[in-house]
Amino acid sequence: GQQLNQSPQSMFIQEGEDVSMNCTSSSIFNTWLWYKQEPGEGPVLLIALYKAGELTSNGRLTAQFGITRKDSFLNISASIPSDVGIYFCAGLLRGEAAGNKLTFGGGTRVLVKP
Amino acid sequence: GAVVSQHPSRVICKSGTSVKIECRSLDFQATTMFWYRQFPKQSLMLMATSNEGSKATYEQGVEKDKFLINHASLTLSTLTVTSAHPEDSSFYICSAPLYTEAFFGQGTRLTVV
Repeated sequence: GQQLNQSPQSMFIQEGEDVSMNCTSSSIFNTWLWYKQEPGEGPVLLIALYKAGELTSNGRLTAQFGITRKDSFLNISASIPSDVGIYFCAGLLRGEAAGNKLTFGGGTRVLVKP
Repeated sequence: GAVVSQHPSRVICKSGTSVKIECRSLDFQATTMFWYRQFPKQSLMLMATSNEGSKATYEQGVEKDKFLINHASLTLSTLTVTSAHPEDSSFYICSAPLYTEAFFGQGTRLTVV
């Protein structure tokens, strides 16, 4: 199925740095979701976005729903070691036949700089 | 957020045996649940949509006889990997939607030896 283009695929962070990742699509979505997945676990929902242009924060995380409805970004401010993990964006098209079927980005792997 | 519980978290089985994985929505009802498979360093790949009271919908290329899905109640879906082979070893994750969000189980690491 279609997939969202998520970038970067991976990044190294140094404690205290701000990091940013984004997702783009050729399709319009009605909802954008951002998840974090740690090794051996399922994804955990971080932020949900429902309106074009919406900017939402969850602690040090900030995400925005692009005005065109075809993109979204996630920022992590003042990163800390526990921010390590894989971050996924997911888009939701209302009206999908199977109901609430998500389209996922390829993931951004956040690693700590040695 | 809502809680989805998946069990077991890890299972090792012998080739040729079947393994059942359970996915429960603990504090909400889910008429639909989704089953994903995830390979190392890759994104989640949707395998099938589990529908309470009716047959599951499988994605293209997923063998329905190999991956049996039963949505027994509004809070429980099961995935049975039948006649497992080493190539079925993977990380399987379920999710349940609630309004316009989706919540995931903890995942099951299946190893077939």
